[in-house]
Amino acid sequence: QKEVEQNSGPLSVPEGAIASLNCTYSDRGSQSFFWYRQYSGKSPELIMSIYSNGDKEDGRFTAQLNKASQYVSLLIRDSQPSDSATYLCAFHRGATNKLIFGTGTLLAVQP
Amino acid sequence: GAVVSQHPSWVICKSGTSVKIECRSLDFQATTMFWYRQFPKQSLMLMATSNEGSKATYEQGVEKDKFLINHASLTLSTLTVTSAHPEDSSFYICSALRGQGKETQYFGPGTRLLVL
Repeated sequence: QKEVEQNSGPLSVPEGAIASLNCTYSDRGSQSFFWYRQYSGKSPELIMSIYSNGDKEDGRFTAQLNKASQYVSLLIRDSQPSDSATYLCAFHRGATNKLIFGTGTLLAVQP
Repeated sequence: GAVVSQHPSWVICKSGTSVKIECRSLDFQATTMFWYRQFPKQSLMLMATSNEGSKATYEQGVEKDKFLINHASLTLSTLTVTSAHPEDSSFYICSALRGQGKETQYFGPGTRLLVL
């Protein structure tokens, strides 16, 4: 079992719709969770961090964390073609300071 | 925000030469930095953890004598690819760890290496 599971996609949504990206993780000791966006040929860019159960909103982005279900998600409202990218879910392993990444979900927003 | 730079952004070299890549945290100090490699259409692969003032910790399968890492200050880590070969051609990305208790990794823009 992978430590972080993401649907590889591609997830295709029309412009203006809500894109929902999901992620599950296996390490119950995880405390810090992140969503990174990676455009093709570029390095990852931090979108959201979340540490507590519940929702965290930042502009068009909302991260949701449910530690009991070991589940973290990212909602993108009013999706734009410029949101088309690979979205990487990750958690911080405190003992090593490493980020444990999922393989990413490719999002395609259709104009 | 946290800014991490890398230099150079592109490098083309002949087989057998060594290439040095610099990673700098511009607006914060980072005792820990990381080096990743990414081949086209593949996932990020962690190569090593770079700790200021101490030896780097390499991931399994990464040759420490081929990929030399030096983290001489709180804002600079370097990766030297020694005796580069075409199979070392890849996208090398560093990240720097910021914060205590809620540590967050910020990535540099990456260095694309092409070995001819």
